[in-house]
Amino acid sequence: SQQGEEDPQALSIQEGENATMNCSYKTSINNLQWYRQNSGRGLVHLILIRSNEREKHSGRLRVTLDTSKKSSSLLITASRAADTASYFCATLLGGGGNKLTFGTGTQLKVEL
Amino acid sequence: DTAVSQTPKYLVTQMGNDKSIKCEQNLGHDTMYWYKQDSKKFLKIMFSYNNKELIINETVPNRFSPKSPDKAHLNLHINSLELGDSAVYFCASSAARDGQQPQHFGDGTRLSIL
Repeated sequence: SQQGEEDPQALSIQEGENATMNCSYKTSINNLQWYRQNSGRGLVHLILIRSNEREKHSGRLRVTLDTSKKSSSLLITASRAADTASYFCATLLGGGGNKLTFGTGTQLKVEL
Repeated sequence: DTAVSQTPKYLVTQMGNDKSIKCEQNLGHDTMYWYKQDSKKFLKIMFSYNNKELIINETVPNRFSPKSPDKAHLNLHINSLELGDSAVYFCASSAARDGQQPQHFGDGTRLSIL
């Protein structure tokens, strides 16, 4: 089974609203990363949060990490049509692992 | 300048053929990866090289063979293509081999097997 699973699978909102996506994982991690994928393009790194961090911000993005619940959330504030994309979380396992395991993705659509 | 570039962008070929996908990065990174993304957008690591040394080799059919002539290039050769190989293949690079740095992705090669 996959290490990371995003929820919801799909999300449709109006421009200007906030979008929240969640990621749950199963085993202890070293870090968790969020990526965006526009249609027909490669993944773009958004934020990396380490296991000893609880919250990080980057522009309109806010990521939280709750290691006790094995979950993370990505909040996009004041969404724009250009935010329409798939968003993936990826985990680096603890204990010296060196590969990222990607989740199933949340497809976000921001409508005008 | 494109940081991670893959060629070709599209590859349509017959079952049983052999094909190669090329990847180059100009970021000065030591570590490069190949991923496979299926039709449900699930992304799975296949291989990783660090400065021409294979460091990740997932359970992938041995018809897939990566080759890294230098640390800026990582190519993927696929023998005897099968219908199930249809997918989007992504190359990526990173400044660190331990997963502690972001990965930079190319725009993918869309492989379709007829």
